[in-house]
Amino acid sequence: QQQVKQSPQSLIVQKGGISIINCAYENTAFDYFPWYQQFPGKGPALLIAIRPDVSEKKEGRFTISFNKSAKQFSLHIMDSQPGDSATYFCAASGGKLIFGQGTELSVKP
Amino acid sequence: GAVVSQHPSWVICKSGTSVKIECRSLDFQATTMFWYRQFPKQSLMLMATSNEGSKATYEQGVEKDKFLINHASLTLSTLTVTSAHPEDSSFYICSPSEQTREQYFGPGTRLTVT
Repeated sequence: QQQVKQSPQSLIVQKGGISIINCAYENTAFDYFPWYQQFPGKGPALLIAIRPDVSEKKEGRFTISFNKSAKQFSLHIMDSQPGDSATYFCAASGGKLIFGQGTELSVKP
Repeated sequence: GAVVSQHPSWVICKSGTSVKIECRSLDFQATTMFWYRQFPKQSLMLMATSNEGSKATYEQGVEKDKFLINHASLTLSTLTVTSAHPEDSSFYICSPSEQTREQYFGPGTRLTVT
């Protein structure tokens, strides 16, 4: 019940395209859902986060869509750029962060 | 934004020796410290949680006598890997948290045990 399932494992997108990464959770006690970006050899950096009282949050090219009834949330990266190539992790927290398995995104020029 | 430092960023040690990793929150007070371990191409796995001045709580399967955590102040926590073995080679990341519960992440320490 503590798991957060993330898909796809890897994703290749053309420059300018939309990258979509999905996550699902089981524990309804989770109340904080962040997305992190991690470059090789670096720690994860917070991209955007949402709480379950809203269904969508947008910050620049990054949007989180949240479906409380389905217990799913997703990250959309609009106008994807080669510099967005990184590993992305979703997470859920009810006090401590539980991470998804990660998605390796490659944006081709 | 919150600034977190880790030292060293990369360390190589011989099997059987101990290694200490420092994590500092430079511009905020970390009431709680989380330590994660990340193997190549894998996700972050929580090792332990500590509150300032208290003993750490370890996740299932993490040996508390092997991974010693000290959180003696609100700006400094240390992780000591005792009697390191090659299977302990990994990327260790600290994550200090303020009372708001938002977690910030350090840049990580790559440990290689030969």
